[in-house]
Amino acid sequence: GEDVEQSLFLSVREGDSSVINCTYTDSSSTYLYWYKQEPGAGLQLLTYIFSNMDMKQDQRLTVLLNKKDKHLSLRIADTQTGDSAIYFCAETPLSNTGKLIFGQGTTLQVKP
Amino acid sequence: EPEVTQTPSHQVTQMGQEVILRCVPISNHLYFYWYRQILGQKVEFLVSFYNNEISEKSEIFDDQFSVERPDGSNFTLKIRSTKLEDSAMYFCASSGRQGGANQPQHFGDGTRLSIL
Repeated sequence: GEDVEQSLFLSVREGDSSVINCTYTDSSSTYLYWYKQEPGAGLQLLTYIFSNMDMKQDQRLTVLLNKKDKHLSLRIADTQTGDSAIYFCAETPLSNTGKLIFGQGTTLQVKP
Repeated sequence: EPEVTQTPSHQVTQMGQEVILRCVPISNHLYFYWYRQILGQKVEFLVSFYNNEISEKSEIFDDQFSVERPDGSNFTLKIRSTKLEDSAMYFCASSGRQGGANQPQHFGDGTRLSIL
């Protein structure tokens, strides 16, 4: 079956690193994504990783993929108050339709 | 940067009424999607649409739901006879074509549907 799980809440201090974790069940996943949702707004694509990669870095964001353990993480370096939002992990099963399976979202709270 | 736009941002409808949610995907995208998010719950896939037909739909997408691309730009979701449990945020998404359907999807800001 297809399922994606995330912890619900993470609180960090401004300037610290944040690590948001995600596990998924579908071993056929092709792409894995991180989306950010600010209050009242839509889902903003942050970054994504293809399943044959272990790591991807994009400025303050680092994505790590452990395919054996079906574990995905998003590290935000030097977390700012503007990073406070809900972060969704999502995967695309191996189908040609591209549908996304989302986790329940992790609320990141950044304290000044 | 091109965006997916959705209208209206908030729709209030009486139970049993029909509602149409509208989306304008990014212009050169070929794959279109609807998702919904009931308050406090996960974002759930409803339907994907490619080449003027539904390519996949979830169990949620029953006979009360339909999608249409009536012209070259709009992509609509119709709920024929709304129920209280249809109250949710509805997101439209689109993606481009590079090597197949599994390209990053770009989302609109959503339409909040409230059924009274």
